[in-house]
Amino acid sequence: LAKTTQPISMDSYEGQEVNITCSHNNIATNDYITWYQQFPSQGPRFIIQGYKTKVTNEVASLFIPADRKSSTLSLPRVSLSDTAVYYCLVGLNSGYSTLTFGKGTMLLVSP
Amino acid sequence: NAGVTQTPKFQVLKTGQSMTLQCAQDMNHEYMSWYRQDPGMGLRLIHYSVGAGITDQGEVPNGYNVSRSTTEDFPLRLLSAAPSQTSVYFCASSYGGGHQPQHFGDGTRLSIL
Repeated sequence: LAKTTQPISMDSYEGQEVNITCSHNNIATNDYITWYQQFPSQGPRFIIQGYKTKVTNEVASLFIPADRKSSTLSLPRVSLSDTAVYYCLVGLNSGYSTLTFGKGTMLLVSP
Repeated sequence: NAGVTQTPKFQVLKTGQSMTLQCAQDMNHEYMSWYRQDPGMGLRLIHYSVGAGITDQGEVPNGYNVSRSTTEDFPLRLLSAAPSQTSVYFCASSYGGGHQPQHFGDGTRLSIL
């Protein structure tokens, strides 16, 4: 399984763009990159997923360079409600993988 | 849509007691799993199932049993509760394995005295 490394915490202010980078140096050819968000007292929630280049949805963008050894989750114009823990996961393309949720990145958005 | 429903939301047990954490999903997902989350930690996989009648161990299976008799339900049993099992337990389901997005319940907060 590819190991991921991401910052323990980040601080931001409302209205700013936040970029959270995840390193996954030993990502395998078939691995996808998936990000989850977790609010206090709730289960993680799927945000976005990608394989290469850039993916965008209504919540976030995911940038993946050509070598795929890292990825960046971009949250445009964050609000207080974006305060949460963000997890980066790298997993297999097929079959069931024991995806590992690391400690994630605690994002604190202040007024 | 209910999604993934976990019961109970809170539970306090005494050491040595047994109990079953319930998990049900209404999305007809084949894959289901149980995680535990300890303070300041990420989620660790306990057991998972790739379909009715099929289960397997995750990273931290000791002290827990599971069974999957229907697609909808995936209960987690604590055989003899220990203080080290005090944690928040999350159940998740997904359409497929691998990278398929998982849908999580809101957790069961379990304290063992």
